Amino acid sequence: SQQGEEDPQALSIQEGENATMNCSYKTSINNLQWYRQNSGRGLVHLILIRSNEREKHSGRLRVTLDTSKKSSSLLITASRAADTASYFCATDGGGGADGLTFGKGTHLIIQP
Amino acid sequence: KAGVTQTPRYLIKTRGQQVTLSCSPISGHRSVSWYQQTPGQGLQFLFEYFSETQRNKGNFPGRFSGRQFSNSRSEMNVSTLELGDSALYLCASSRGAREGSPLHFGNGTRLTVT
Repeated sequence: SQQGEEDPQALSIQEGENATMNCSYKTSINNLQWYRQNSGRGLVHLILIRSNEREKHSGRLRVTLDTSKKSSSLLITASRAADTASYFCATDGGGGADGLTFGKGTHLIIQP
Repeated sequence: KAGVTQTPRYLIKTRGQQVTLSCSPISGHRSVSWYQQTPGQGLQFLFEYFSETQRNKGNFPGRFSGRQFSNSRSEMNVSTLELGDSALYLCASSRGAREGSPLHFGNGTRLTVT
């Protein structure tokens, strides 16, 4: 079953704008990760945020985590055409049980 | 450093047949996980192997099995294929720490069952 639910399912913005994607989950977690998938290819790990962290940055990426609301957001600033992809949040409940639980993803389209 | 390699890239099989998919992890990575990706169900965890032992298993029928070799390479097998097994099968490797190890994915094997 899917634990993470991304919102929106699809997002289309102009190049240079910021893109924000949200993820909600249901059970307690040890960490939450964001991955990117280009069409028909494997997933690429973007960033990991632990349950005791509230915000993390990596280049143009900013991730926030609110464990009280069981939600996370991924912000991509100054978007580029190459950012066009599907973005997935994945939760790790700890102990490795059930592997990572992925949401169904947000499909981001950057219009040139 | 070479990434995760999955072979074959594409596969077409007939219902009832069996199939074996292969995955070579990143050098030094001891954990290999398998995921099934379909448009309807999204990404679903199949199983994880660490040092040749299955460490975790997802909610899939016994027709889905796997193994890991001493060099960390892994194979997964699906027997008695069904139409619903058509999917992108993704392999991912990691260093194997229980928590917080990012997964490195291969480009997948796209299986079509006719």
